[in-house]
Amino acid sequence: DAGVTQSPTHLIKTRGQQVTLRCSPKSGHDTVSWYQQALGQGPQFIFQYYEEEERQRGNFPDRFSGHQFPNYSSELNVNALLLGDSALYLCASSWTAGENTEAFFGQGTRLTVV
Amino acid sequence: AQRVTQPEKLLSVFKGAPVELKCNYSYSGSPELFWYVQYSRQRLQLLLRHISRESIKGFTADLNKGETSFHLKKPFAQEEDSAMYYCALRNSGGYQKVTFGTGTKLQVIP
Repeated sequence: DAGVTQSPTHLIKTRGQQVTLRCSPKSGHDTVSWYQQALGQGPQFIFQYYEEEERQRGNFPDRFSGHQFPNYSSELNVNALLLGDSALYLCASSWTAGENTEAFFGQGTRLTVV
Repeated sequence: AQRVTQPEKLLSVFKGAPVELKCNYSYSGSPELFWYVQYSRQRLQLLLRHISRESIKGFTADLNKGETSFHLKKPFAQEEDSAMYYCALRNSGGYQKVTFGTGTKLQVIP
């Protein structure tokens, strides 16, 4: 089991562009959460997907959207990129049907907006 | 609103000295508290959770609801403990949203 995998590992985009980040959850996991980690900060919750629907959302604008596919993989889309969107984007997967499930994190995608 | 506070950005201790990483939280319900660790060039991983009441790599953490704290402790620091440590809170109700603190970098001096 490769665990949680994210692609790409690094990405450079221009302000105003759109970006799509991808996440494959750990085998057996059905829930995917996305986090933004700015330099020197802890991860901040963006949203969570379960059964192909957004279940919870943090304080992020509508420019941030996502999708979950039937195989539980997920995408994070960010439109109209701003310089402030530069960060490490983390994906975490877990199994929702259990109170004590552990979230496993991917290595992250480093997004740089220039 | 839920919030996690880690007051120290950097904590330097000598090898063999005791370690205490502070974490305070605010949450209106019954929280689930965690400590995550990120070693250099590795991904974020769970270190321990309060419901397990276990010791991992010599680390322990006790949830103090009166003081709303969940400090991480180890009696004797090792060089391999050098890493970023994040305290985190998961809201009750089964959903997996986790609120992280800003992290404390632990530096163990040989």
